[in-house]
Amino acid sequence: GAVVSQHPSRVICKSGTSVKIECRSLDFQATTMFWYRQFPKQSLMLMATSNEGSKATYEQGVEKDKFLINHASLTLSTLTVTSAHPEDSSFYICSATRGTNYNEQFFGPGTRLTVL
Amino acid sequence: KNQVEQSPQSLIILEGKNCTLQCNYTVSPFSNLRWYKQDTGRGPVSLTIMTFSENTKSNGRYTATLDADTKQSSLHITASQLSDSASYICVVSDDTNAGKSTFGDGTTLTVKP
Repeated sequence: GAVVSQHPSRVICKSGTSVKIECRSLDFQATTMFWYRQFPKQSLMLMATSNEGSKATYEQGVEKDKFLINHASLTLSTLTVTSAHPEDSSFYICSATRGTNYNEQFFGPGTRLTVL
Repeated sequence: KNQVEQSPQSLIILEGKNCTLQCNYTVSPFSNLRWYKQDTGRGPVSLTIMTFSENTKSNGRYTATLDADTKQSSLHITASQLSDSASYICVVSDDTNAGKSTFGDGTTLTVKP
C-alpha cells in the first residue's frame, strides 16, 4: 500500500509553454502533498506544501505565480509550471502523507522536465 | 537554522563488503529521522524511520542507528549488492505542527563487482 504516482514521468517542452504534472495517491487519501525539485547531484528542495481544498504554502524564493499548485481532491495534486524556461528544467518529485502524520511521507517516482 | 550533514559525499565499495554512512543534524525540536534510498531518476524510497526513543532499526541488510544526545545517525549496509548503488538521503523532521523536514545532501554509493 501507500503508492504515489506521477504523470508524466518525463516531458520535453518549448520555452514559454506551460506544463502540468500530476501527483496521485493510488491507495490512500493524502491529507497533505509536498512538491520538491531536485537538480543533478543535489538533494530535494521543498517547493510547496499543499492541503486538499486550500491554497498551497510556498517556500521562500519559490514563485507561486510560476509554479501553480492545485490540490483539488484527497488523491490528486497538480503542479503547473507556467511560461517554462530552460532554467526550470529539473526533476520534480511529489510526496504525500496520510492523516496528520507528516513523517510518513511516500514519494512519487518523479517527473523529468526539460525545457528547450 | 536546521541542518543535516551527511558524509561521505560519495563512496565506492566492492560487492559483498559492508559500509557505513553518517548523518549529523542540528534540527530542533527533534521528531524523527528517516533514511531513504534514491535510485538515479527515481523518487526516494523509505528505508527506516526512527523516533527519539529508538536507537536502532533494521530493514533487511540496512541497519540505522540514532544517538539523540550527540545528534548523529548512521546507516550500515551489510553484504552490499550491485543494486545498492544509489543515493542515500538522511531526513530529519522537527516536532512542530508543520512537521518540516530537513534533507541532507545525500551520500552516493557505488557498489562495484
